[in-house]
Parts: sequence; structure tokens; C-alpha cells
Amino acid sequence: DVKVTQSSRYLVKRTGEKVFLECVQDMDHENMFWYRQDPGLGLRLIYFSYDVKMKEKGDIPEGYSVSREKKERFSLILESASTNQTSMYLCASSFLGEDEKLFFGSGTQLSVL
Amino acid sequence: AQRVTQPEKLLSVFKGAPVELKCNYSYSGSPELFWYVQYSRQRLQLLLRHISRESIKGFTADLNKGETSFHLKKPFAQEEDSAMYYCALTRVSGGSNYKLTFGKGTLLTVNP
Repeated sequence: DVKVTQSSRYLVKRTGEKVFLECVQDMDHENMFWYRQDPGLGLRLIYFSYDVKMKEKGDIPEGYSVSREKKERFSLILESASTNQTSMYLCASSFLGEDEKLFFGSGTQLSVL
Repeated sequence: AQRVTQPEKLLSVFKGAPVELKCNYSYSGSPELFWYVQYSRQRLQLLLRHISRESIKGFTADLNKGETSFHLKKPFAQEEDSAMYYCALTRVSGGSNYKLTFGKGTLLTVNP
């Protein structure tokens, strides 16, 4: 059974802090994704990666960066957290060529005060 | 640009009633459409895809290219169907990598 693990279920940070959200998958998936999920706005893609050290911007990359140093790990970084980044963050992974079959993590609910 | 529209944020039906969750899309090429579901306190997961032409948990969805729609239907709703449903679209990949575009979601509540 595929497991996508996000390091924290809940996080509370202060405005201006640098925030790291970690995601690890154990199925040797090439693709990894970061989404944010907001009521009424659905899922919006922040960044994705198809290979180690490779990254591509999604639809809403502003204020975020990512790191993929190892195949199984994909980190989302908020350089200077702001209140409008309060959201549920979902990590997902999939096999190369099967982008539509995403396996999601449980999510990290981030509150920026 | 590809776009997915789910016109209903909320949908409430009674147990045993038919349910239809609407999804419309805009894309100039040949799309692949999917439904994802998130039950309370569970992870988002793939429910079904149009190319499979399958019925999952009693749900079916038919791609109508003329109406650019991919509505999700079930003839008799059950309480356990209560969940958030997302319609999603991607290009026909042919081995290439294209990202999914999600709609804003419809929260289905099935009342006893």
C-alpha cells in the first residue's frame, strides 16, 4: 500500500517565519506534488517535481519554494510566512506517465498568526 | 488553458435518492477526466477515470465531449457517500507528463 507521509498534521507559525513542510513517499514514485486546499477554491498546485533536483512551478508558486534532494522526499518552503498562507497543504506522488493517479498524504494544516 | 468547473459547492440529497454531481471542462485538445473523493478524516483518493468506463461504489461518469461535461452519477445515494468530490482533468499524455487541474469541489451530504 502506497504511503505518502507528511511530517506534521498541524503547524502554527508566526508571520515572517521560514516554514518547512516535509513529505516522504515509499513507493519509488518519480512525480511529487504540493497542493494547497482552501474551502471554495479547491486544490491549487503550488509546485511539482518529476525527478530529483528538478522542479516546476504550478499555478500559485509565489511565496513558496521547494527542494527535492532525494527521490522519496519533497519539501515545501515558505520563505517568509504570511497570514494568507494559512491553509491545508497536501502532498501527492505518482508514477511517471501516471500523473492522474495521485496518492495523497493526510495533509498539514498550517496556521500563520 | 484547461479549466474545470463544478457549479455546485454544496449538494444535499436524501438516502435512496439519485445524485448527480456536475462537472464541466474547457480544453481544446483531447482530455482525460477523473473524479477524486475525500471522505471525512480520510485522504483524497482517486474514485474513477473516464477511460476505465467502470462503476466504483455505484458511481458512474460519462464523458460527453459535445457538452464538455463529466457528471458523476449514482442512482441511489447512501449515507456513506457523504464526502467532498473533485473533478479533475489532464491532457492525453502518451507517456508525457502533464499535471492535473482540479475543480473547486462539491460537498455532498446524504441525509438519512
